[in-house]
Formats: sequence, C-alpha cells, structure tokens
Amino acid sequence: GAVVSQHPSRVICKSGTSVKIECRSLDFQATTMFWYRQFPKQSLMLMATSNEGSKATYEQGVEKDKFLINHASLTLSTLTVTSAHPEDSSFYICSAEVTPRSPEQFFGPGTRLTVL
Amino acid sequence: DAKTTQPNSMESNEEEPVHLPCNHSTISGTDYIHWYRQLPSQGPEYVIHGLTSNVNNRMASLAIAEDRKSSTLILHRATLRDAAVYYCILRDDFQAGTALIFGKGTTLSVSS
Repeated sequence: GAVVSQHPSRVICKSGTSVKIECRSLDFQATTMFWYRQFPKQSLMLMATSNEGSKATYEQGVEKDKFLINHASLTLSTLTVTSAHPEDSSFYICSAEVTPRSPEQFFGPGTRLTVL
Repeated sequence: DAKTTQPNSMESNEEEPVHLPCNHSTISGTDYIHWYRQLPSQGPEYVIHGLTSNVNNRMASLAIAEDRKSSTLILHRATLRDAAVYYCILRDDFQAGTALIFGKGTTLSVSS
C-alpha cells in the first residue's frame, strides 16, 4: 500500500518556540492531506484539510494563525505549531488520499510533540 | 457527518473470532462504512470498507445489515497483534477531499 511518512517522530521543545512537522507521501501524489491531533486516551480530532496549492481549511476551534499548514507540493504538507505551549503537547497525525474519492486514506506514523 | 455508536471495549481470546458491532442509524444513501484501527502510538490503518454488500479482504470481513443501519467487523481469528482501537466511520466517498471523522472507537483486548 501507499506510504506516508512524518518527520520528526517525536520532538521536545521549550514553551514559546515554533515546531515544524513534515508529512510526505512517499510513493504517490496526494492532492489532499489531512491533519489530526490526538490527546492521551482520546480519539483523533481533525484539525484541517490541506489542498495542494491552496489555503488549508481549518476545523472550527482550530487557530489558523497558530497552526500554520503549507501544502506546497503534491508530496509534502507541513504543520507548524507557532509559539508552542504545554497545552499543545499532543500526538499529531497526517493522512493522505491517493486519488480524489479514493476509499482508503493512508496515515503517517504520527509525531509526538512535548512542550516544556 | 452521520454518527456511529460502538461499544467502548471488547475482549477476545487468541485464535477466536471477534465480532465488533457498529450502529449507524442515521446513515445516508451515499455514506460508505469504513473501518480503521489504531495500534498504540501509531497512526490509524485501513481495515475494510463497504456500501451495501458484505465485503471480505485479507484482514477482515464486513457484514452490513440490509437496512444499513448497523454493521459488524469480523476478525476471523484474533491474534495478539489485533489488539487495537477499532473505529467505524461513515464517509461520503462520492465527495472528493472528505476527511475521516473519528469517534471513540472500540478498544479490543486479546488474551493468549
């Protein structure tokens, strides 16, 4: 199946710094990618939908100025957590569609962010 | 998005079949039924999906009720590696760029 990678797999940063997380589709082109976050013992929560070459669509309650999403190519989407605070500590997961209306989405392995 | 209801947890013994139920009484005609699972500290992985007919693949079987208001994911012989959170999700696959919306899922424990 198609492979989605994320980098880094885990990151620890100080409060107030910015962190960039990369999501790559390794063997396919993804027109649309999705970003989720997951707090401990909770389900995945959709943050935003990222379309190549256009602005991301954010879910209600997600601050677009804090979580910057860039989808500059068909194989790469990035999520930047700006001025991170301890409450932003979470498991961030991206997913991608192989083709529009493809029934299967492929998920990255996740990035564990810890903000001290 | 149409809502699904799953039991919070289920237990199984190794090498026994497991039936994971999902209720989706408000499903619309264009909603596909998707199942994903998430192993600890990993991203979710696709298991199976269907629209009306029962489906089989190498991982599992999906039994869909005739009125489509419920479905059951069947793992024919559970292994320890099947211990995960299983999510039943409805999605309109006819619309491009539609995200998967996750509910709480069912945590499956498998004992040896």
